[in-house]
Amino acid sequence: NAGVMQNPRHLVRRRGQEARLRCSPMKGHSHVYWYRQLPEEGLKFMVYLQKENIIDESGMPKERFSAEFPKEGPSILRIQQVVRGDSAAYFCASSRQGPGANVLTFGAGSRLTVL
Amino acid sequence: TQLLEQSPQFLSIQEGENLTVYCNSSSVFSSLQWYRQEPGEGPVLLVTVVTGGEVKKLKRLTFQFGDARKDSSLHITAAQPGDTGLYLCAVGNLGGSQGNLIFGKGTKLSVKP
Repeated sequence: NAGVMQNPRHLVRRRGQEARLRCSPMKGHSHVYWYRQLPEEGLKFMVYLQKENIIDESGMPKERFSAEFPKEGPSILRIQQVVRGDSAAYFCASSRQGPGANVLTFGAGSRLTVL
Repeated sequence: TQLLEQSPQFLSIQEGENLTVYCNSSSVFSSLQWYRQEPGEGPVLLVTVVTGGEVKKLKRLTFQFGDARKDSSLHITAAQPGDTGLYLCAVGNLGGSQGNLIFGKGTKLSVKP
């Protein structure tokens, strides 16, 4: 009964490159959330997705960041033209539909380092 | 603006000691969650408190939700090195979607053997 799977666990990119982070939700979960944890800061909500739909992207930076959760396959968080300030741990979480939807199960995170 | 203030920011104690960490806000919440995050891992949900004045126990951990539902505390009895980690409190973002949680910055606990 695998939990939330994220890959890669560690990713190094040079400024200007693209970063793609993948997340497979827990079995039976149809809601996916992405959070970012910057050094010395708390976890910050970025986006909430269901299959093929972005429900809430109020925490996403307006430029360079995008997220998708296709009908088949994992959810992807894409960061274009990365800058040093994008260096952070990116966590994916998932939850069930209906009651208890605010009970999030987090993955182990993907740690992005931008050189 | 919802803000969760956690204190202390850092806590280093010896095995066997008791400790309490706090999560405070000026806003009223319908529920509050506590998570523990170990280095290199994601947060793991410990408990959700819902009712003002509620007390929940999880082995040596005791969680309390304030009567006014603005604050919460986590008390650990006889701390062990395995309790080491970052303790985070979180609430739902008022007006936000489900899963849109606001986290405090956490209390970093180190328990030395």
